[in-house]
Amino acid sequence: GESVGLHLPTLSVQEGDNSIINCAYSNSASDYFIWYKQESGKGPQFIIDIRSNMDKRQGQRVTVLLNKTVKHLSLQIAATQPGDSAVYFCAAPGGPNYGGSQGNLIFGKGTKLSVKP
Amino acid sequence: KAGVTQTPRYLIKTRGQQVTLSCSPISGHRSVSWYQQTPGQGLQFLFEYFSETQRNKGNFPGRFSGRQFSNSRSEMNVSTLELGDSALYLCASSLTSGPTYEQYFGPGTRLTVT
Repeated sequence: GESVGLHLPTLSVQEGDNSIINCAYSNSASDYFIWYKQESGKGPQFIIDIRSNMDKRQGQRVTVLLNKTVKHLSLQIAATQPGDSAVYFCAAPGGPNYGGSQGNLIFGKGTKLSVKP
Repeated sequence: KAGVTQTPRYLIKTRGQQVTLSCSPISGHRSVSWYQQTPGQGLQFLFEYFSETQRNKGNFPGRFSGRQFSNSRSEMNVSTLELGDSALYLCASSLTSGPTYEQYFGPGTRLTVT
């Protein structure tokens, strides 16, 4: 089955700097990846997704890069703000007993991003 | 559009009891998934329901069960609670059509088992 994992459990950056959060996955057949942000006391919130036929996708202040050769993806946050402080998860379809449906995601452990003012 | 709602938000139960958690998906969403979140294991998939049918089930014991109603609202039940069931239980809904796996999560129910 699939497994996803984040490289660093914590990341501290200065306000205004760029942040890079990394994630590795195990299944080379994985074709879809999602980044979620979870603030304290809230459920995960969708940030951006990317399909395996893309290497890069940009959103508002965020960019996801996918390197299929080394099975690695990263989330880049430009001009990090205090409101970006949260735990970030990468996720992919393919949890236990995965049958191809959309609702079965496997999550990495998360990286806690702290933004210093 | 209202988001995913979960009730109750907080719950304290005693070992051996049972508990029922409720989830109302975003209007129009027909798929509901449940996840357990703990500091040690992170987010783990419990089960997914679509049109009142369980489509997928994670690797949890039979004490964990769920159901979905015709209006897409879902409940999950945990019987014979154990201390290790203390967790944040998250519900997520999605449209199930289209190319995205985007799921919308509720705020969760914090269950504490004593």
